[in-house]
Amino acid sequence: EAGVTQFPSHSVIEKGQTVTLRCDPISGHDNLYWYRRVMGKEIKFLLHFVKESKQDESGMPNNRFLAERTGGTYSTLKVQPAELEDSGVYFCASSRQGMDEQFFGPGTRLTVL
Amino acid sequence: KNQVEQSPQSLIILEGKNCTLQCNYTVSPFSNLRWYKQDTGRGPVSLTIMTFSENTKSNGRYTATLDADTKQSSLHITASQLSDSASYICVVSSGGSYIPTFGRGTSLIVHP
Repeated sequence: EAGVTQFPSHSVIEKGQTVTLRCDPISGHDNLYWYRRVMGKEIKFLLHFVKESKQDESGMPNNRFLAERTGGTYSTLKVQPAELEDSGVYFCASSRQGMDEQFFGPGTRLTVL
Repeated sequence: KNQVEQSPQSLIILEGKNCTLQCNYTVSPFSNLRWYKQDTGRGPVSLTIMTFSENTKSNGRYTATLDADTKQSSLHITASQLSDSASYICVVSSGGSYIPTFGRGTSLIVHP
């Protein structure tokens, strides 16, 4: 069974540019989560999808972040326009049921210059 | 506010030695506590999960303990190997919530 995959693994952009991160969850997992780890801090929740619906987006920092999950399969997280404080590692995780173990992807390291 | 504190922040040990990592939490109501291992460049991988009624849970050379009264957990690694070098993250889930609270992790380096 393939694990959670994320693309790209690294992204370096300049302040004001747009970046889109992609996450492919484990097949059959209806629940998909986005998290972010800022350097020196703990991993923090961003949002949660159940299939294609946003269940909870209380962790999204501001309206420069837009997450989508078309068709309930892969998900994208767009940052537009990027700011310096958006730098960090963005993790995606998926689970079959809401309270089940979450399986994490390798993360996308975003650097905003 | 739900918080998870881990200590030490970093640890260096020699191969073959044992070590213990600590986790204190203030998450309420408590549902479960997981220890994750995160290798460099990889996502966290669950090692153990413990619920309120469990005191000890083992996974190979990894043994986790939980004291729900004092809200403390530990992860003991026996006979460390070079492959144990990683960040170990304590994650606590609150009852009824799918949003876990993460600690900052303990960075473990095992030297030959």
